[in-house]
Amino acid sequence: DAKTTQPPSMDCAEGRAANLPCNHSTISGNEYVYWYRQIHSQGPQYIIHGLKNNETNEMASLIITEDRKSSTLILPHATLRDTAVYYCIVRPYKGDYKLSFGAGTTVTVRA
Amino acid sequence: GAGVSQSPRYKVAKRGQDVALRCDPISGHVSLFWYQQALGQGPEFLTYFQNEAQLDKSGLPSDRFFAERPEGSVSTLKIQRTQQEDSAVYLCATDTGRGLNTEAFFGQGTRLTVV
Repeated sequence: DAKTTQPPSMDCAEGRAANLPCNHSTISGNEYVYWYRQIHSQGPQYIIHGLKNNETNEMASLIITEDRKSSTLILPHATLRDTAVYYCIVRPYKGDYKLSFGAGTTVTVRA
Repeated sequence: GAGVSQSPRYKVAKRGQDVALRCDPISGHVSLFWYQQALGQGPEFLTYFQNEAQLDKSGLPSDRFFAERPEGSVSTLKIQRTQQEDSAVYLCATDTGRGLNTEAFFGQGTRLTVV
């Protein structure tokens, strides 16, 4: 019972912005949107999370639609080291602390 | 070290053998999770500890899987009588436990291959 839908793969040119979409049409008011990524042979790495406002940190920006049914992770200037599987996860504010990963989006940054 | 440390990095076990996988959390992290990741798939939740208490073990696939964290720090995931379907990467993650507005830190995982 996947709570998020992501495209299976996407390519991006080095130096360009990468926009990763995620649909979470059944998200509840008490659920956050989290993004993690997993570089080959490593454990997942936290990127960013948000509830309803747009968020930005040193790694990425998160844009959440007003109805919260979808979001976009933006990597502003993709590098070859950003090649990874990116996971969009919804997680409730209380009670269930585990992360429910789906299949994610395999992002390949090309020179 | 500064991060979550897992050992061994790689383990090859013969079918039927017992294995023990270790996770050293970040110092002071209250919450500890184990995940199983099959090849080409996302991680799947196995179990969750808050300090030494195992609060959720709903993801453990069978009674051959057992996890413990006796002193609220180091955790061990034990798999008895390993089967080929147990071959996967086992990931440990920890966080401060101070609510949902926190990030989880993952180790590099232990790749278990059952032959």
